Amino acid sequence: DAKTTQPPSMDCAEGRAANLPCNHSTISGNEYVYWYRQIHSQGPQYIIHGLKNNETNEMASLIITEDRKSSTLILPHATLRDTAVYYCIVRALLNNAGNMLTFGGGTRLMVKP
Amino acid sequence: NAGVTQTPKFQVLKTGQSMTLQCAQDMNHNSMYWYRQDPGMGLRLIYYSASEGTTDKGEVPNGYNVSRLNKREFSLRLESAAPSQTSVYFCASSEPLAGGPYNEQFFGPGTRLTVL
Repeated sequence: DAKTTQPPSMDCAEGRAANLPCNHSTISGNEYVYWYRQIHSQGPQYIIHGLKNNETNEMASLIITEDRKSSTLILPHATLRDTAVYYCIVRALLNNAGNMLTFGGGTRLMVKP
Repeated sequence: NAGVTQTPKFQVLKTGQSMTLQCAQDMNHNSMYWYRQDPGMGLRLIYYSASEGTTDKGEVPNGYNVSRLNKREFSLRLESAAPSQTSVYFCASSEPLAGGPYNEQFFGPGTRLTVL
């Protein structure tokens, strides 16, 4: 699996967009980009995933560069409840061994009033 | 639906004691996982079960055993607890999509274990 690099921490003002970058320069053609977040003391929560096209759901948008070497998770209107650690994970297609996830250090996002 | 449930929520053990962490899911998922998270770090996979009747080692299996009791339940056992196993333990489940990307993993609330 490709390694990912994320800034250790970021701040964002409440109501503004939060843009969380992730570098995955060694990503392979069959690897997807996943984003999870972990609010303090809780289990991680799935946010979104994508292969090469931009994706949007009710929680966030995922922008993947054309060369797929980096991506940005966008929370369009951050709230205090979005304060969490955000993990960018790159994972290949399913194999018979199950879909294991490898969590790195993540980015600690602090949304401030 | 309760999703993924874990028991107990908290546990304190003495070195050498044994215990079993329980996990159950009601989403009819085939795959289940056990992770540990040490303070300030990301999650690391201990064991997983791709489907009922199968289990495999993850990144940090030493000192642990697992049992996939049935499709719903996946337990983690510490036979002789050590202080290095002080951690938060998360169970997760998912339903892999054949031929496509991984489906999302659903995590339980965690078990906070302290070994003295």
